[in-house]
Amino acid sequence: KNEVEQSPQNLTAQEGEFITINCSYSVGISALHWLQQHPGGGIVSLFMLSSGKKKHGRLIATINIQEKHSSLHITASHPRDSAVYICAVLRDSNYQLIWGAGTKLIIKP
Amino acid sequence: DGGITQSPKYLFRKEGQNVTLSCEQNLNHDAMYWYRQDPGQGLRLIYYSQIVNDFQKGDIAEGYSVSREKKESFPLTVTSAQKNPTAFYLCASRGYSTNEKLFFGSGTQLSVL
Repeated sequence: KNEVEQSPQNLTAQEGEFITINCSYSVGISALHWLQQHPGGGIVSLFMLSSGKKKHGRLIATINIQEKHSSLHITASHPRDSAVYICAVLRDSNYQLIWGAGTKLIIKP
Repeated sequence: DGGITQSPKYLFRKEGQNVTLSCEQNLNHDAMYWYRQDPGQGLRLIYYSQIVNDFQKGDIAEGYSVSREKKESFPLTVTSAQKNPTAFYLCASRGYSTNEKLFFGSGTQLSVL
């Protein structure tokens, strides 16, 4: 079983829909990162979480440390949100990053 | 502006040749990472370094080598022992505190001639 599991693997939605991407992990962590990779390959860090909730524009990220689960939400989704969203955790025992497989999101106009 | 610079953007390797990918950061970050990404796949860790003059093998280190002589620089050499080097390579860095964001370079696409 992978130490970081993301769901869904693929998600297609209509413009304007509320999007949720989930990340579950099985190891002790110091932090959890949400990242976005566009088709050109570049990766951008969206959030770094160690507890609670963060919001940036239409993006919201939450983490529940007890349940070892995090969610990334996109409100009022737009075609430019189409990308691969990746969850990565920083393991607290050796500070190594463990990556989820990514969620490919397509928003149709 | 601070950031990570990877070069070149595209690189071609002949059989039997070693090639080196550059990764430079001016963020004063201690930790640096090299990842390989194959089409439609996730990131796989090649090597990482937490401090100058020290580095650790990742999951797929065979056929690769690195050095960390300076804090700002973490070059990756793809050796002739790497039989399937065609991939997209990403360099990343992170500050010492676990509460710091990851920063990524724009990547190098390596292809075999």
